[in-house]
Amino acid sequence: GQNIDQPTEMTATEGAIVQINCTYQTSGFNGLFWYQQHAGEAPTFLSYNVLDGLEEKGRFSSFLSRSKGYSYLLLKELQMKDSASYLCAALDSNYQLIWGAGTKLIIKP
Amino acid sequence: IAGITQAPTSQILAAGRRMTLRCTQDMRHNAMYWYRQDLGLGLRLIHYSNTAGTTGKGEVPDGYSVSRANTDDFPLTLASAVPSQTSVYFCASSSTGEGDNEQFFGPGTRLTVL
Repeated sequence: GQNIDQPTEMTATEGAIVQINCTYQTSGFNGLFWYQQHAGEAPTFLSYNVLDGLEEKGRFSSFLSRSKGYSYLLLKELQMKDSASYLCAALDSNYQLIWGAGTKLIIKP
Repeated sequence: IAGITQAPTSQILAAGRRMTLRCTQDMRHNAMYWYRQDLGLGLRLIHYSNTAGTTGKGEVPDGYSVSRANTDDFPLTLASAVPSQTSVYFCASSSTGEGDNEQFFGPGTRLTVL
């Protein structure tokens, strides 16, 4: 079957760095997405990785290892507004997104 | 219209009633999707459409139907609502094919079935 695993909840301190891990098992693979979702709002796109390696975009970076079925989202210089859920999703062979349940990130002052 | 819109924003519905959730996008995306999101379960795909005139079943299609008469609109119908369909419903759209097929989401419809 197809499966995405990510931690349910994480806590970090304002100004610090946090890494949110995601492992995936899908029928075929056409890329890995990370989305941010604030409470009561729609998910918004953060990053897309299809090749191995690290993609950096400002304070956020995303890493992919296809051989390990593993990705992480790295958030630097955490701000209170980064408190949100972070959703990992893998694109399968039919170009359908398989979603994880999301990681709720709590930022403390 | 800018992006993707949904209506209504929220709705309280009596069990057994018929309800249509509306979704419209102006980005000329080929693909559209309906998800439900429940606490602790993440986003689950209900139905999708890869192009106008075609639809497909997702992970949780039972009790729901969709149509795709044109590129812009993708309504979701609950023929006879049940309390287990209480959820937040998100419509999304994307381009298709190889590459970064980012899905753009509407603001959601919060549905309560009593």
